[in-house]
Amino acid sequence: EDKVVQSPLSLVVHEGDTVTLNCSYEVTNFRSLLWYKQEKKAPTFLFMLTSSGIEKKSGRLSSILDKKELFSILNITATQTGDSAIYLCAVEARNNAGNMLTFGGGTRLMVKP
Amino acid sequence: DGGITQSPKYLFRKEGQNVTLSCEQNLNHDAMYWYRQDPGQGLRLIYYSQIVNDFQKGDIAEGYSVSREKKESFPLTVTSAQKNPTAFYLCASSSTERETQYFGPGTRLLVL
Repeated sequence: EDKVVQSPLSLVVHEGDTVTLNCSYEVTNFRSLLWYKQEKKAPTFLFMLTSSGIEKKSGRLSSILDKKELFSILNITATQTGDSAIYLCAVEARNNAGNMLTFGGGTRLMVKP
Repeated sequence: DGGITQSPKYLFRKEGQNVTLSCEQNLNHDAMYWYRQDPGQGLRLIYYSQIVNDFQKGDIAEGYSVSREKKESFPLTVTSAQKNPTAFYLCASSSTERETQYFGPGTRLLVL
């Protein structure tokens, strides 16, 4: 059974700090790993990673995938209160019927002023 | 065990047919959600419900319908009006709107 585990479960930091969120996975027929930010009803898409060692960057957020060790990290530098959210990691895997998505349990990040 | 379940895992639909996807949770969560995911894309919200007997349209509600007669259950019907139904459908629940959403294992819908 496909499995995605995120750590830590929750994190409290102060503005300006750098944080690293972790996502490890065990899936068959890996296709991609996706990071989402959940603040309101629907998680918003951050990154999709398919290749090892290639960092994806968007402003203060960056993410990298290690397909050998089966994990990904999401870094947020110079954190702001607006970064407070739940960060979800999901792994897309493919079988004969098509792609399936398995989510981790999320990391709740709180950034204090 | 507490959790959220979806059935079936795979579903085949003929042209012009309505199909219903099941989503059940025993987490005592008030809020439930339906998403659609297409390859290489993020999640798109179809419908959500914050309380029993109440639900709201998400971003792509056309061609879909839902009901929320019980707290534990939030079935999604894909109607014949949905012209491109082939996708992966995910159900989620949370205790409140701003809490962590827990996702089910998903249903893969294929049109024959």
